[in-house]
Amino acid sequence: QQKVQQSPESLTVSEGAMASLNCTFSDGTSNNFRWYRQHSAKGLEVLVSIFSDGEKEEGRFTAHLNRANLHVSLHIREPQPSDSAVYLCAVSITGNTGKLIFGLGTTLQVQP
Amino acid sequence: GGIITQTPKFLIGQEGQKLTLKCQQNFNHDTMYWYRQDSGKGLRLIYYSITENDLQKGDLSEGYDASREKKSSFSLTVTSAQKNEMAVFLCASSIARGDTEVFFGKGTRLTVV
Repeated sequence: QQKVQQSPESLTVSEGAMASLNCTFSDGTSNNFRWYRQHSAKGLEVLVSIFSDGEKEEGRFTAHLNRANLHVSLHIREPQPSDSAVYLCAVSITGNTGKLIFGLGTTLQVQP
Repeated sequence: GGIITQTPKFLIGQEGQKLTLKCQQNFNHDTMYWYRQDSGKGLRLIYYSITENDLQKGDLSEGYDASREKKSSFSLTVTSAQKNEMAVFLCASSIARGDTEVFFGKGTRLTVV
């Protein structure tokens, strides 16, 4: 069974400083990886989906996937207070791209 | 763009009560999902459905029933609410094949008294 772990559990950064979040997974055969953001009492907003090793950028959000190291990261450029939220890493179950295994999340606080 | 609508937003039930949560999507997606989110445990898949009238169990299906009455709607029933239970139930949908996005609703927050 795929296991997904996120670190750090919580992160505080100053507005404008780069924020980096990490996610490790146990099964490298999964074929897609997603980062979601969840604001308090709201649904999940997909930020970046990445399917191949390397980098994928969506606006201020960049994901790096290294399948050999079982690692995917999210970097947030110039974070703003409105980026304060819980960030969730999700890994697909092999053979069904919609069935996701989630990490427990990183709570990001961006201070003005 | 489309939207996933979950009703109700808040649900308060009593121990032993049968409770039903509803989800509608207008993406015309084939597959729909129900996830449960607990503090400290992340999101876990309860049921999913790949087409109308189809039902597949996830990791957390015990204690739940689900129904895909039509392509756009997917309902979840808590068969017997557990005292002091608190969780958020999230509905999601996606196209059936390929590497596609999975979109989520805003959730139903359940409290059992």
